[in-house]
Amino acid sequence: DQQVKQNSPSLSVQEGRISILNCDYTNSMFDYFLWYKKYPAEGPTFLISISSIKDKNEDGRFTVFLNKSAKHLSLHIVPSQPGDSAVYFCAATLSGTYKYIFGTGTRLKVLA
Amino acid sequence: KAGVTQTPRYLIKTRGQQVTLSCSPISGHRSVSWYQQTPGQGLQFLFEYFSETQRNKGNFPGRFSGRQFSNSRSEMNVSTLELGDSALYLCASSLSGLASDTQYFGPGTRLTVL
Repeated sequence: DQQVKQNSPSLSVQEGRISILNCDYTNSMFDYFLWYKKYPAEGPTFLISISSIKDKNEDGRFTVFLNKSAKHLSLHIVPSQPGDSAVYFCAATLSGTYKYIFGTGTRLKVLA
Repeated sequence: KAGVTQTPRYLIKTRGQQVTLSCSPISGHRSVSWYQQTPGQGLQFLFEYFSETQRNKGNFPGRFSGRQFSNSRSEMNVSTLELGDSALYLCASSLSGLASDTQYFGPGTRLTVL
């Protein structure tokens, strides 16, 4: 039972444009959500997170939006840069469980 | 500050053997989590340790076990290896495992079972 889903395995975007990566979850009890970026031969790197009490969090070029009623979150990257090309994972957790559920990842390719 | 280190980086084993993987967290981090990454499955949570205690466990068979030492270093063990255990095994450390703590991942151990 995949509680966190990333339905787009890949995405290509032109440099300078917006990249939008999507993630859906099924467990309404999740109260914290995160995005990680992974380059080949490296471990995932934390990008940005959001608590369920918020609907938006921004950090530089990265913004995460949370729609609790739709059980959907998205990561916006503006403007996209070639160095953003990587696999992006969303993750969710319920505070106090110390367990993170990850999606299957979306491979983003930013074209120069 | 040194990052999370995992040893070995690559490992080749045959079916039926057992394997032990090691993870050294960032200094001061007391929570260590383990994940299995396979193509198409994303990262699957294995277990989390804090102060030598397992606080949560994923849906993996009992062949997968782990432990944490008093210096927060952690090991995971897989016994009676199966072909399907071939994967990248990642560990992550954080200060205390709280949702608001940032998890830092190591580079992983690539296990191939023949």
